[in-house]
Amino acid sequence: EAGVTQFPSHSVIEKGQTVTLRCDPISGHDNLYWYRRVMGKEIKFLLHFVKESKQDESGMPNNRFLAERTGGTYSTLKVQPAELEDSGVYFCASSQDPGTHSYNEQFFGPGTRLTVL
Amino acid sequence: DQQVKQNSPSLSVQEGRISILNCDYTNSMFDYFLWYKKYPAEGPTFLISISSIKDKNEDGRFTVFLNKSAKHLSLHIVPSQPGDSAVYFCAASDSNSGYALNFGKGTSLLVTP
Repeated sequence: EAGVTQFPSHSVIEKGQTVTLRCDPISGHDNLYWYRRVMGKEIKFLLHFVKESKQDESGMPNNRFLAERTGGTYSTLKVQPAELEDSGVYFCASSQDPGTHSYNEQFFGPGTRLTVL
Repeated sequence: DQQVKQNSPSLSVQEGRISILNCDYTNSMFDYFLWYKKYPAEGPTFLISISSIKDKNEDGRFTVFLNKSAKHLSLHIVPSQPGDSAVYFCAASDSNSGYALNFGKGTSLLVTP
């Protein structure tokens, strides 16, 4: 079974440009999460989709970030316009319905390293 | 603001000995705790978890202990192996307010032969 995949693995852009990150969750996982790790800090939650609906977007830093999950399959995270402080590693994770399992095990992708110059 | 803390950035242990990684949390509403392991250039990999209704969970060489009164959990690896060298993240969630994981900053474990 394929794991969570993310594209691209690296992205280097200039301040003010737009970047779109993509995440393909594990097949059958309704829950999809985005996290970000800025250098030297902890991994921080951004938002959570259940199928195509945003369940929790309390971690989104500001309105320059837009996440979508059309059709409830893959998700994109767009940063427009990018700022220097957006640099970091963006992780995507997916999980099955926590209600049918005893725990909320989230499976993570390898991450996209974003560098804003 | 950080609700999950791993106060040891690094730990070095000899092969065969026990590795003990510690984690403290401040939010008493957390009811599920997880440990993830991370190699460079990879995403975190789930290792072991524990519900707040338990105080211990064991899986092979890995055991997680939870002390709710102290808001403290620990991961024991015994015996430690060189392949265990990685960054270990503690994470916690409050299932009543969503499933977001709150992570610590990680502890880098080095197991030497």
